[in-house]
Amino acid sequence: EIVLTQSPATLSLSPGERATLSCRASQSVSSYLAWYQQKPGQAPRLLIYDASNRATGIPARFSGSGSGTDFTLTISSLEPEDFAVYYCQQRSNWPPSSFGQGTKLEIK
Amino acid sequence: QVQLQQWGAGLLKPSETLSLTCAVYGGSFSGYYWSWIRQPPGKGLEWIGEINHSGSTNYNPSLKSRVTISVDTSKNQFSLKLSSVTAADTAVYYCARDVWFGEPPRWRYYGMDVWGQGTTVTVSS
Repeated sequence: EIVLTQSPATLSLSPGERATLSCRASQSVSSYLAWYQQKPGQAPRLLIYDASNRATGIPARFSGSGSGTDFTLTISSLEPEDFAVYYCQQRSNWPPSSFGQGTKLEIK
Repeated sequence: QVQLQQWGAGLLKPSETLSLTCAVYGGSFSGYYWSWIRQPPGKGLEWIGEINHSGSTNYNPSLKSRVTISVDTSKNQFSLKLSSVTAADTAVYYCARDVWFGEPPRWRYYGMDVWGQGTTVTVSS
């Protein structure tokens, strides 16, 4: 089973700042990686697919990069609505698919 | 616009069977995988398993002995059964549409782009 490790666990930033979230896989997942945003009491929302492509309707301030084992989600300039928990998910060498443990992005 | 609506019993006793159903409205049922994911209170997401329109399934090995996912294409619905539940199965359960695109051998993964509203399931004696 592929394990995804996200860092940091919590990231404290202010609106307007740049956020960089990391996801590391225990073995290569090629580009079969997606990123999700989850707000309290809501289902996750797909942000990035194929490691680096924005899903439909996702603002341009969200970007993804990486391949193999190391991936990054970047939010170029934080808006108030961006403070949430972010998860990466892999779909390589499944089942099972797996998620990272999440990074909580909180307001500083 | 595709919507998923899910329902099922929210309170179970240990050893009972969890049963949830997810209905797909406003879009095609074929051509996708349909997944179940759960989230224990205050914790992260766990993939349970998936099914496609023809009934092909994949399960998380950690739950495989207790999980059954089935499909009713006449109603555009798919269902989850989890047997012998314990307190560790207490979670919010989500259904989701899981999308792949492209052509073999270079399939590409789009992700889980439509989610149900979630069902809180509590296991308690």
